[in-house]
Amino acid sequence: DGGITQSPKYLFRKEGQNVTLSCEQNLNHDAMYWYRQDPGQGLRLIYYSQIVNDFQKGDIAEGYSVSREKKESFPLTVTSAQKNPTAFYLCASSVRRGGRYEQYFGPGTRLTVT
Amino acid sequence: AQSVSQHNHHVILSEAASLELGCNYSYGGTVNLFWYVQYPGQHLQLLLKYFSGDPLVKGIKGFEAEFIKSKFSFNLRKPSVQWSDTAEYFCAVNELRRGGSQGNLIFGKGTKLSVKP
Repeated sequence: DGGITQSPKYLFRKEGQNVTLSCEQNLNHDAMYWYRQDPGQGLRLIYYSQIVNDFQKGDIAEGYSVSREKKESFPLTVTSAQKNPTAFYLCASSVRRGGRYEQYFGPGTRLTVT
Repeated sequence: AQSVSQHNHHVILSEAASLELGCNYSYGGTVNLFWYVQYPGQHLQLLLKYFSGDPLVKGIKGFEAEFIKSKFSFNLRKPSVQWSDTAEYFCAVNELRRGGSQGNLIFGKGTKLSVKP
C-alpha cells in the first residue's frame, strides 16, 4: 500500500523544546517537501529536498531544520527558535508525469506548543 | 513577489447550486496549475491539473477548471454541488522554467465551501 505517512497525528510540546515530525514515503519519489498550514493562510513552504543529502530553504525556513539521509524519509525539526510553532504540518512528495511534477500529500501532523 | 489569489474565503451554497471558485496568479511565463481539495479530516488531494493543451480540464467528482491565459486565471467550476463537496479548496501554481525545471508550488489561501443539504 503506497503512500506518505506522517506521525504522530497530534503532538503536544512545551515551549522551549525542540520537536521532530516524521515523514516517510514508499512511493519512490525523489523530491519531498514540508509545508505549514495555518487557518486562512493556505500552505507555505518550509523546506524541500530534491535528492538525498540535499535540501533547500523554502519561504519560511527560520526556526526549522531538516535532514534527508534516506530517499524515503524527510524529518522536520521544529526548534525552540520558531516563534509561532503551533500549526498543521504537511509533508509531500512529488513524481514526474509527462515532464511535469505532481505533489502528493501526507495526512499531516497537528503540533500544539504551550 | 509571485502570488496566487483566491477571492472567496468562505462560500455557502445549497445542494444543486452551481459553483465557481476564482483563482488568479501573478506569473508572467509558462505555468502549471492545480486545484487541491481538503475534505474534513482527510488528506489534501489533487482535484485536477493543467499542464498544457486544452484549457478546459476535467477532474474528479465532476469538477472542471478553465485556464484563461489572458486573465491569469484558473477558476474551478461544478454545475451542481452536493453536500459531500463541503471542503476547503486550494489553488496552486508553479512556473515552468527554461530547461524544464519547475519552481516551487505557490498556494492560494484557500476557499472553504459549505454545502447545505
